[in-house]
Amino acid sequence: GAGVSQTPSNKVTEKGKYVELRCDPISGHTALYWYRQSLGQGPEFLIYFQGTGAADDSGLPNDRFFAVRPEGSVSTLKIQRTERGDSAVYLCASSSLAGTTGELFFGEGSRLTVL
Amino acid sequence: GQQLNQSPQSMFIQEGEDVSMNCTSSSIFNTWLWYKQDPGEGPVLLIALYKAGELTSNGRLTAQFGITRKDSFLNISASIPSDVGIYFCAGQLPGNRDDKIIFGKGTRLHILP
Repeated sequence: GAGVSQTPSNKVTEKGKYVELRCDPISGHTALYWYRQSLGQGPEFLIYFQGTGAADDSGLPNDRFFAVRPEGSVSTLKIQRTERGDSAVYLCASSSLAGTTGELFFGEGSRLTVL
Repeated sequence: GQQLNQSPQSMFIQEGEDVSMNCTSSSIFNTWLWYKQDPGEGPVLLIALYKAGELTSNGRLTAQFGITRKDSFLNISASIPSDVGIYFCAGQLPGNRDDKIIFGKGTRLHILP
């Protein structure tokens, strides 16, 4: 596609439920990043994929968070047993050549609200 | 852990004024980046800096990569209404395969009518 596409754009769920957020990167981009942005804060790094493998998942806050990218393109961020503190905008970004320019192309984000 | 400290947190200026904001860290970065975020959108790259001491311009924007590799500044000259938004500095950490990019908390730019 022309840009990074994230779905859903908005998700409201109840505490304790399971949520999946999808990211469709720019075609051909090998690197894919997930960030979480709380109100009034900068994007907080969660995980980075190079191809199908997670090259760095040091930002995942706990084991309720998991992300996959099985075919090296679309990625899904999975959150189990959601908590109110998980409410945030989840941003996905892709890049053509990891470790070079640092230019990340971001999607518009998925806004998650946990009631 | 690695943190980027951005200042000021917010700025209120008149149209036409010049703007300066900066970013510091206790860690060394290989790359410094400046992004801008508009409401409801993801951040967009403005300027990327790759070498210590590098000074780069993009139209009315100028940014520098500090000599110590621990700081950077962004200047905007002759501000216009569309400059309103949140400006983030970001840094790419050194490492063989660590391409993690971390962001500061942002500087919110407001232009007074």
